Amino acid sequence: ELVLTQSPGTLSLSPGERATLSCRASQSVSSSFLAWFQHKPGQAPRLLIYGASTRATGTPDRFSGSGSGTDFTLTISRLEPDDFAVYYCQYYGTSPYTFGQGTKLEIK
Amino acid sequence: QITLKESGPMLVKPTQTLTLTCTFSGFSLTTSGVGVGWIRQPPGKALEWLALIHWDDDKRYNPSLKNRLAITKDTSKNQVVLTMTNMDPVDTATYYCAHGSCDYHKSYFGMDLWGQGTTVTVSS
Repeated sequence: ELVLTQSPGTLSLSPGERATLSCRASQSVSSSFLAWFQHKPGQAPRLLIYGASTRATGTPDRFSGSGSGTDFTLTISRLEPDDFAVYYCQYYGTSPYTFGQGTKLEIK
Repeated sequence: QITLKESGPMLVKPTQTLTLTCTFSGFSLTTSGVGVGWIRQPPGKALEWLALIHWDDDKRYNPSLKNRLAITKDTSKNQVVLTMTNMDPVDTATYYCAHGSCDYHKSYFGMDLWGQGTTVTVSS
């Protein structure tokens, strides 16, 4: 079964800095079906990126996704206060539509 | 505008059956390529996909929970119902439903819009 491992578990940065979040798959997957979500406490998870690099409607262009095969990256170019949250990657190409364990992006 | 809202009991006892309802608006579950999925998140843990139902009533389940889950839809009410039998304290979680879509071959299921979730505690 596919396992998605996200790193780091927690990332402490300041507004204005660049954030790089990693998602590694236990086997090669199609980049067409790799998504990133942002999740804040008490809110619905929000789709940011699908197809590894396509921004969902409403996603600011400071968010970008890249990668292929087993290694995928979410980059936030210049952090804004609203960006501090937990981020999950997900593979939605085959059941059971696995999620990574998440990266918590916190204010330093 | 698509919205989804989960509802159900906040507290269930061990061995009981949990019934959750997802009430949605802004789309129809009779439209080809559309589906609704259920996902949960135990406290401090990762998201876990549970089940989905497609527009054509095709149902998929997480193999790890398949024997305990059942998903149904009522298109006249714009609702999807998930039942989970034999609840255990480890099933304590926030449960989400989400709008999803797939291609003709159902080669993927992308969940793009989620509800805010409902928290279920399993305790005697």
